[in-house]
Amino acid sequence: AQSVTQLDSQVPVFEEAPVELRCNYSSSVSVYLFWYVQYPNQGLQLLLKYLSGSTLVESINGFEAEFNKSQTSFHLRKPSVHISDTAEYFCAVSANNAGNMLTFGGGTRLMVKP
Amino acid sequence: GAGVSQSPSNKVTEKGKDVELRCDPISGHTALYWYRQSLGQGLEFLIYFQGNSAPDKSGLPSDRFSAERTGGSVSTLTIQRTQQEDSAVYLCASSLGEYGYGYTFGSGTRLTVV
Repeated sequence: AQSVTQLDSQVPVFEEAPVELRCNYSSSVSVYLFWYVQYPNQGLQLLLKYLSGSTLVESINGFEAEFNKSQTSFHLRKPSVHISDTAEYFCAVSANNAGNMLTFGGGTRLMVKP
Repeated sequence: GAGVSQSPSNKVTEKGKDVELRCDPISGHTALYWYRQSLGQGLEFLIYFQGNSAPDKSGLPSDRFSAERTGGSVSTLTIQRTQQEDSAVYLCASSLGEYGYGYTFGSGTRLTVV
């Protein structure tokens, strides 16, 4: 079975500061990795995903995540956050022995302050 | 449709009443998932439909919860004899059902049991 741990339940940060949201997973088989974002009162939206190839993946709004197989991590980073980035961020893993099922972490609430 | 549609967006019901929540997935998506998100909490898996296979009901919290998917498309989640602890946002997601594809989520139904 797979599991996903998001070490920080809340991350407060000032606008224009860098941020890292941590995600670690455990799996005995190869995985695909995802980050979803949930803005207030909305559903979850796919932010970015790692399937294969370059271990560094980027989103259209400046976030990036790096797959580190040896550390079983997929941390999400942004060099300079905006107020509009305030949201809940969920890391998820899909293992190749679990069909299309995603296992989600507990989420990290990013709070960007002016 | 263009996205996953859920209705109603908000539902207030009296304790002990039955409620039905509807999910209309993206056309052609063979997989459909229901999750529950309590206030400030992560995602709790409820049930998973994949094509014509028997659903994975392993996440349903009690026998008051049931779900069906008619014609491989629209799904209805039914909660009988609602309790206050059932208050949450119920999220539906659909997917092509292929490994690595990820989910598309609806905006959710916010259920409040009073």
